[in-house]
Amino acid sequence: GAVVSQHPSWVICKSGTSVKIECRSLDFQATTMFWYRQFPKQSLMLMATSNEGSKATYEQGVEKDKFLINHASLTLSTLTVTSAHPEDSSFYICSGYPGQGKEDGYTFGSGTRLTVV
Amino acid sequence: GENVEQHPSTLSVQEGDSAVIKCTYSDSASNYFPWYKQELGKRPQLIIDIRSNVGEKKDQRIAVTLNKTAKHFSLHITETQPEDSAVYFCAASKIPGGKLQFGAGTQVVVTP
Repeated sequence: GAVVSQHPSWVICKSGTSVKIECRSLDFQATTMFWYRQFPKQSLMLMATSNEGSKATYEQGVEKDKFLINHASLTLSTLTVTSAHPEDSSFYICSGYPGQGKEDGYTFGSGTRLTVV
Repeated sequence: GENVEQHPSTLSVQEGDSAVIKCTYSDSASNYFPWYKQELGKRPQLIIDIRSNVGEKKDQRIAVTLNKTAKHFSLHITETQPEDSAVYFCAASKIPGGKLQFGAGTQVVVTP
């Protein structure tokens, strides 16, 4: 089935540093990738939609200068958390849509556990 | 925008019993309703989905029903097993491939 590979699976960084998270669609072309944030025991909250070759669309309340999204190719989307602070600690997960007929549904990356100390 | 409400937040059932989770949505333009199962620290896994032109869909022990008039859809798990224990999320989008709005999730615990 369709696979989205997400790296790293976990990362610990110091306050003030930046962290880049990568999501690659391995067997389909993802013109769109969705980025979610999930706090413990909570739901997935959509942060932004990345679009190949154009600017990302951010959800209300999400700081675009803090969460930089790049989608330079049909198989790679990245999320960079800039100047990270402890409150940015969370589970970040991406999702692509392989298209109807390909086992249906969105396929999710394995997630990145970010801890900012 | 779309708002999806999900109930209950927790559900404890005895092995072999049925479990039902209900969701309502606000945007009548929503047409795609997937259900995901997420185990702790792992990615959500699609378990079943339904589109607006269908009222019910079944896959072995799992079924989903959709009432477009009332704007609600439900997940039914029959003959529950301990491995069904997880968090289940409903979601809605206007089109397959569009933005997904998730419900708050239901923690299902199946006790032997």
